[in-house]
Amino acid sequence: NAGVTQTPKFQVLKTGQSMTLQCAQDMNHNSMYWYRQDPGMGLRLIYYSASEGTTDKGEVPNGYNVSRLNKREFSLRLESAAPSQTSVYFCASSEEAVYGYTFGSGTRLTVV
Amino acid sequence: GNSVTQMEGPVTLSEEAFLTINCTYTATGYPSLFWYVQYPGEGLQLLLKATKADDKGSNKGFEATYRKETTSFHLEKGSVQVSDSAVYFCALRALQGAQKLVFGQGTRLTINP
Repeated sequence: NAGVTQTPKFQVLKTGQSMTLQCAQDMNHNSMYWYRQDPGMGLRLIYYSASEGTTDKGEVPNGYNVSRLNKREFSLRLESAAPSQTSVYFCASSEEAVYGYTFGSGTRLTVV
Repeated sequence: GNSVTQMEGPVTLSEEAFLTINCTYTATGYPSLFWYVQYPGEGLQLLLKATKADDKGSNKGFEATYRKETTSFHLEKGSVQVSDSAVYFCALRALQGAQKLVFGQGTRLTINP
């Protein structure tokens, strides 16, 4: 089925390790987003890419970097993981935000 | 800035009960408003939306009306089912700035048979 694919689904890291979360969409959407979901705090925007070749910071960008590799792919990198980055990470895409987003199924990350 | 406030959860109801989940927002102008639903272990799915004042969004028996005068977008359903158990998120997209959504904190709904 068409949609947003995230990998991996689960990951455990040690403090200080690095990793990249992958996201790909096959709907030819221009915009892509990375959110984190924490209990009682809803979804908070980490970074977004309004179009291929552009990226911008969201509400909580510290400790993360992103790459919009092409129109389909938008990756999120943790250079030195910290326990505060334990969360569920969601990637989403949209053609126009007024039509809503399509979300991936999430990556559950635990940093110990 | 733009923000969304939802009623505190969790909410527990019996099957066939009437549901209301309150959502109010702060934004300049006329934002677009959304309700998303998240089933256990899954990502968020768009449930319904409204793009201008007095619009009513509806889907799967759920409804929400865009009320500019009270800056609200409350979610309602007349008769809930066990399968409606999920977390519900209210969100807005402001007219100005980049095309990104601002979410409320989510409301967990549990329906007992």
